[in-house]
Amino acid sequence: NAGVTQTPKFQVLKTGQSMTLQCAQDMNHNSMYWYRQDPGMGLRLIYYSASEGTTDKGEVPNGYNVSRLNKREFSLRLESAAPSQTSVYFCASSYRGQETQYFGPGTRLLVL
Amino acid sequence: GESVGLHLPTLSVQEGDNSIINCAYSNSASDYFIWYKQESGKGPQFIIDIRSNMDKRQGQRVTVLLNKTVKHLSLQIAATQPGDSAVYFCAENKPRGKLIFGQGTELSVKP
Repeated sequence: NAGVTQTPKFQVLKTGQSMTLQCAQDMNHNSMYWYRQDPGMGLRLIYYSASEGTTDKGEVPNGYNVSRLNKREFSLRLESAAPSQTSVYFCASSYRGQETQYFGPGTRLLVL
Repeated sequence: GESVGLHLPTLSVQEGDNSIINCAYSNSASDYFIWYKQESGKGPQFIIDIRSNMDKRQGQRVTVLLNKTVKHLSLQIAATQPGDSAVYFCAENKPRGKLIFGQGTELSVKP
């Protein structure tokens, strides 16, 4: 039981490049989330998926898109990366909304 | 807007002492709070949660207190150990699972 896994662990992009961050959970959770964490700050919600087939915007969705590929996987895409998107990205999942969220180890992204 | 905030960005305690980390929130309708621990280079890890129908909840070496009158909650860690060194976040768990995080308190434990 691996919990929540994220790939890649680290990534360096040039401004304007695109990439997709992958997240998978093996806990049979219904809800999945993407957060970003900037230095010295708490996490901010980018997008979430309450259940398979649905996605909703969070607090800071601009510049991102998501896909809930199936119950296990929830990907985050940056179509045209900007330096302001340099951050650590965390994926999380919970059995249902408003239940305990379990976090992955994070993806560290640097946009030059 | 609504917010969740921690009182002190850093806290240093001696090994074996008790630690108290405080958090304030602004929305009196908030009803579910979670404390997370984040070690360097890792994702947040669930510690303990509390709902508004409770004033106190205890776990292993940790206690969370909720004071709805002054919109304040605290995390108490008993007999603090070096392994407790981390950043601690309080978070409000809103409907549909949207977590609103505070900025975090970095706990340092001196041997």
